[in-house]
Amino acid sequence: NAGVTQTPKFQVLKTGQSMTLQCAQDMNHNSMYWYRQDPGMGLRLIYYSASEGTTDKGEVPNGYNVSRLNKREFSLRLESAAPSQTSVYFCASSEALRGRRSQPQHFGDGTRLSIL
Amino acid sequence: QKEVEQNSGPLSVPEGAIASLNCTYSDRGSQSFFWYRQYSGKSPELIMFIYSNGDKEDGRFTAQLNKASQYVSLLIRDSQPSDSATYLCAVYSGGGADGLTFGKGTHLIIQP
Repeated sequence: NAGVTQTPKFQVLKTGQSMTLQCAQDMNHNSMYWYRQDPGMGLRLIYYSASEGTTDKGEVPNGYNVSRLNKREFSLRLESAAPSQTSVYFCASSEALRGRRSQPQHFGDGTRLSIL
Repeated sequence: QKEVEQNSGPLSVPEGAIASLNCTYSDRGSQSFFWYRQYSGKSPELIMFIYSNGDKEDGRFTAQLNKASQYVSLLIRDSQPSDSATYLCAVYSGGGADGLTFGKGTHLIIQP
């Protein structure tokens, strides 16, 4: 049982290049999330998807796009990378919400992205 | 603006003692509270979650929630050097399928 799998684990880009971060989960979770983690800033939500075919913006969506390809996969795309997007990116998933309570989120190992 | 506050530390605790980690949150409507442990260079790992006022125990870990004071804490009994990590408090405020709001974490050091 792999849980949440992210690829690639490391990537170096030049300013202006584009790339897609991949995420897949095998826990049959409905909800999936993309976070970025920067020193001194904590984890911040970029985008989330409550179910297949739906996506919503989080706290810091500018410069990113997402695709919920199916229930398992949720990708994050940087169309024109900027040095400010240098960060560690985490994908997470959780079971569907129950009423007003959120179920725990399970994280992938992260992608360490450097933009030169 | 939803905020989750934690003392960044480092918090230094002798081996075998109780480590107490604290977290306050701004949104009074928050319903779900989580503690994650993150080792350097690794991903967050779920330790505990709590929904109701009071204490919840799991092994050496106890989560405490006081909604009136907007305060959640994590106690680690019989602290071990392997508990040395950054502990992240996360809060879900409801209203949709949005993500968790995380504190910046407390760096805990267990001294042998």
